[in-house]
Formats: sequence, C-alpha cells, structure tokens
Amino acid sequence: RKEVEQDPGPFNVPEGATVAFNCTYSNSASQSFFWYRQDCRKEPKLLMSVYSSGNEDGRFTAQLNRASQYISLLIRDSKLSDSATYLCVVNAGNMLTFGGGTRLMVKP
Amino acid sequence: EAQVTQNPRYLITVTGKKLTVTCSQNMNHEYMSWYRQDPGLGLRQIYYSMNVEVTDKGDVPEGYKVSRKEKRNFPLILESPSPNQTSLYFCASSLYGDGRRDTQYFGPGTRLTVL
Repeated sequence: RKEVEQDPGPFNVPEGATVAFNCTYSNSASQSFFWYRQDCRKEPKLLMSVYSSGNEDGRFTAQLNRASQYISLLIRDSKLSDSATYLCVVNAGNMLTFGGGTRLMVKP
Repeated sequence: EAQVTQNPRYLITVTGKKLTVTCSQNMNHEYMSWYRQDPGLGLRQIYYSMNVEVTDKGDVPEGYKVSRKEKRNFPLILESPSPNQTSLYFCASSLYGDGRRDTQYFGPGTRLTVL
C-alpha cells in the first residue's frame, strides 16, 4: 500500500463546477499536510497548507481528518486555469511523501 | 529574485558515464532535497539535507550520492548512471524542513535520459 494515495483522475469538469479531491495517508505520525499544484512537467508549487480545523483560500478549501487519515481539497467555481495536477503531500519528521497526484481538466 | 536553480535542464548520457546535476538556492534555506518523478510513481525523495554536512537517505537513494559542503548548494551525483535512472529530477529547498508547516520551493527540473 502506498503511503499517500490519490485518485489519479483525470477529473473532467466544466467551468464553474465544484470539484473535490481526496487523499489518504498511512502514517499516523504525520504532522504536516499540504496541497501542491503541478502544471504539465513543471515544478510543483505550494497551493495551500492543510490545518486541523480546515482552511480556506479564495475558491479553495482544504480539510484534514486525522481519525480517518485523509485530507481533501475542494475547488469552487472552477476556472480553465485550474487545470493541473494536484499533489497531496504529507510530512512525517524530516521527509516529505508525495501522492501520485490527481489530474484536473476544466473544460469551457 | 528568490529561486532554486538546477543545471543542466536536459541531459542525455550513456550508461556508466558519471554525471553531476547541480542545485543552488539563494534563500539561505537550511533544508534541501532531491526528488525524482516517474509516471505512475509520483515524486519520490532521493536524499535530503537539513544543513551543511548533514545528509540523509530518502526513499530511493540507491545509485545516487549527494554532498552539502555549502548551505546554498546541493549537487546530485550519479557515479555510474543506468537506464532505470532516466527520470525527471527536482531539487527543492525549504527554510526549516523539520516537520513544521514549511513551503518547499522547487527548481525547474532536470530531464535526464540514460541510454
């Protein structure tokens, strides 16, 4: 079993739609959680950290469920420019573990 | 401009020919790391360094070496490259990298092909 698992997608959604991704992690000692965005074969960039109480940044909302060991990302009012791969990242100690990514394609 | 740079960006080489991929950051970050990204496997950490002269193995260290003689540089060395090391490589740095809520800044990537 992978340490961090994501549905690879692709998720094909129309502009304006709301879409949600989940990510599960296996290491219960994990301390920090992040969502990164990666455009086609470019470097990943931080989208947002994920806090225990949940957090929002504009159209993006992240949630953490420690009991069930999953994190989620909700994107409201999808834009064409949201098309990318979204990487779930978990930090336990000094190492980062990346999920395989979920590909999102927003269509006109 | 704050950034992580990698060189070369593209490299085609042959089996067994030693190569070095350089990584440099100008943000005075303590933590630096190397990842490889392969289709279906995602990003996997090769080595990381929490400070000068301190390096540790990540998930897939076999066939790679690193050194951290200066804070800003973290070169990745392939002593005898093999075709299974064909991949997209990313260097990253972060201010602390010890489990706190710390942004990783990635370099632009190095696409390596080993024939």
